[in-house]
Amino acid sequence: NAGVTQTPKFQVLKTGQSMTLQCAQDMNHNSMYWYRQDPGMGLRLIYYSASEGTTDKGEVPNGYNVSRLNKREFSLRLESAAPSQTSVYFCATSDGGGTNEKLFFGSGTQLSVL
Amino acid sequence: GDSVTQMEGPVTLSEEAFLTINCTYTATGYPSLFWYVQYPGEGLQLLLKATKADDKGSNKGFEATYRKETTSFHLEKGSVQVSDSAVYFCALKNTGGFKTIFGAGTRLFVKA
Repeated sequence: NAGVTQTPKFQVLKTGQSMTLQCAQDMNHNSMYWYRQDPGMGLRLIYYSASEGTTDKGEVPNGYNVSRLNKREFSLRLESAAPSQTSVYFCATSDGGGTNEKLFFGSGTQLSVL
Repeated sequence: GDSVTQMEGPVTLSEEAFLTINCTYTATGYPSLFWYVQYPGEGLQLLLKATKADDKGSNKGFEATYRKETTSFHLEKGSVQVSDSAVYFCALKNTGGFKTIFGAGTRLFVKA
């Protein structure tokens, strides 16, 4: 049972380069999320998708775009990477909305922008 | 807006010591509260949760009680093990939104 799979695990970019982080889930969950994790700041929501075909901005969407390709896949794209986007990125899914929502996380992508 | 504040780490303990990691929150309404744990090199996973005031969440020897009067959800464990070394995140989810709000995380080191 793979759960939530993220690729790649590590990536180094030069300023201005573009890349796409991939996320796929086999849990049949409707909701998917992209977070970034920075020291001392916890996790901050970049974008989320409540269901296939919909996406919405989170706290820190600038410099990112997303695509909910189908129910399983939710990708995050950096069009022109900046050093401020050096971070660890986590994809997550949830088992339903409401206050009891439990999140399931992938193992993360460590991104460095030089 | 809603927010979560955790004690700063790192917290370093010897094996079998008592653990407390403090967490307080600010929120309108009646949020659910969570503790997530992140082991080295892995994503976060749910440790425990509580959905209403005075509820106690528990799992793997960890406990936390939802205290509305003090807006707190402190994590405790009576006897920590080396394998408990990880980063612990307090979080809340409120009604009417899609966002789970996380604290900054507290790193725990347990020495043998």
